Amino acid sequence: NAGVTQTPKFQVLKTGQSMTLQCAQDMNHEYMSWYRQDPGMGLRLIHYSVGAGITDQGEVPNGYNVSRSTTEDFPLRLLSAAPSQTSVYFCASHKGPSGNTIYFGEGSWLTVV
Amino acid sequence: ILNVEQSPQSLHVQEGDSTNFTCSFPSSNFYALHWYRWETAKSPEALFVMTLNGDEKKKGRISATLNTKEGYSYLYIKGSQPEDSATYLCALAGGYQKVTFGTGTKLQVIP
Repeated sequence: NAGVTQTPKFQVLKTGQSMTLQCAQDMNHEYMSWYRQDPGMGLRLIHYSVGAGITDQGEVPNGYNVSRSTTEDFPLRLLSAAPSQTSVYFCASHKGPSGNTIYFGEGSWLTVV
Repeated sequence: ILNVEQSPQSLHVQEGDSTNFTCSFPSSNFYALHWYRWETAKSPEALFVMTLNGDEKKKGRISATLNTKEGYSYLYIKGSQPEDSATYLCALAGGYQKVTFGTGTKLQVIP
């Protein structure tokens, strides 16, 4: 019963370092997304994908890259980490259009120093 | 970017009290309205997905209503329990993949 799995759960980065947050889902969902959550703000969409090979930008895409080479995996890359990217990141997936239930991973707490 | 507003921002109630919160959204951009329950250090968990004007959904002591014409949804909790303490998020699906979340209502139920 894995659902949406994201790793790592916690990470500390130095400014300028790069890293990849991994996300995998085993529900055969077409749609996958990355959100960030900051104090006092809702979940903000970073990037999303509607299927393998198709990605698009969300509300706050700058500083992040994504790719979707398989249905299951949707990694998020921080190219050159900045303190403003300190946040909690959630990967999510759902089947079909956005009227279906969204399933979330357990979150990745990232601190950039 | 769709503007989804939730009120109040936070709420403290006594155990046994009933409570409700509001999610407001632009009625012209509506496909579906989601409610999620989010406990600290866990991932958001789906409560309801509603698509029809006048829709009412219920899960145990929690229920929700939807008015798409005036752009709001209410979430009700009857007889609040300490385990109901969480942040309740609403999200507006404005079509295709665009899902916009509100900032949430943080509920604390005092035993």
